[in-house]
Amino acid sequence: AQSVTQLDSHVSVSEGTPVLLRCNYSSSYSPSLFWYVQHPNKGLQLLLKYTSAATLVKGINGFEAEFKKSETSFHLTKPSAHMSDAAEYFCVVRGSGTASKLTFGTGTRLQVTL
Amino acid sequence: ETGVTQTPRHLVMGMTNKKSLKCEQHLGHNAMYWYKQSAKKPLELMFVYSLEERVENNSVPSRFSPECPNSSHLFLHLHTLQPEDSALYLCASSPEYSSVTDTQYFGPGTRLTVL
Repeated sequence: AQSVTQLDSHVSVSEGTPVLLRCNYSSSYSPSLFWYVQHPNKGLQLLLKYTSAATLVKGINGFEAEFKKSETSFHLTKPSAHMSDAAEYFCVVRGSGTASKLTFGTGTRLQVTL
Repeated sequence: ETGVTQTPRHLVMGMTNKKSLKCEQHLGHNAMYWYKQSAKKPLELMFVYSLEERVENNSVPSRFSPECPNSSHLFLHLHTLQPEDSALYLCASSPEYSSVTDTQYFGPGTRLTVL
């Protein structure tokens, strides 16, 4: 079985300040982990993914995430928020036992203020 | 932006109507997926097709009927829906169904409202 918990349903930051979106996972197998972003009225776009290579993963638009097995976490960070980062962010886990089945978190809405 | 397109983008239908959602991927992928996204709930996987064969059906009511005529096209036929079926329906594709590391690419979704 696998699950993912996004610890914050809503995060608000000021433009130019760091972003931290938290995600904890549970998986019986070595997981693949993903972060997707969804802008209003758009589909989901892949930000980055971890697939058992380097634990620090760099994605698009300056985002990165670190896989920490001991903490079962895969938090998403960005050094400096931009207004265009305002969107919904989904942490996703996929265990090797059920090949293509993705388990999605409930999402974190990021608000960026001036 | 994305190689997965969905039509229509918005759909309003009555409970007795029959309609279809269409998805097309231009990425040469072999696997296609239907998801339901409801407010305040995680995405729910509905159906998976691999090489035009249905490989997963996650306890979806029979009023939703998928069809995959070829690896580039996926349909979701709708009939006698309920108001609680109102949601954003997302289509996705990936290179292979069986690959753990493959990324799924999503379309923009169809916003369905059932009156």
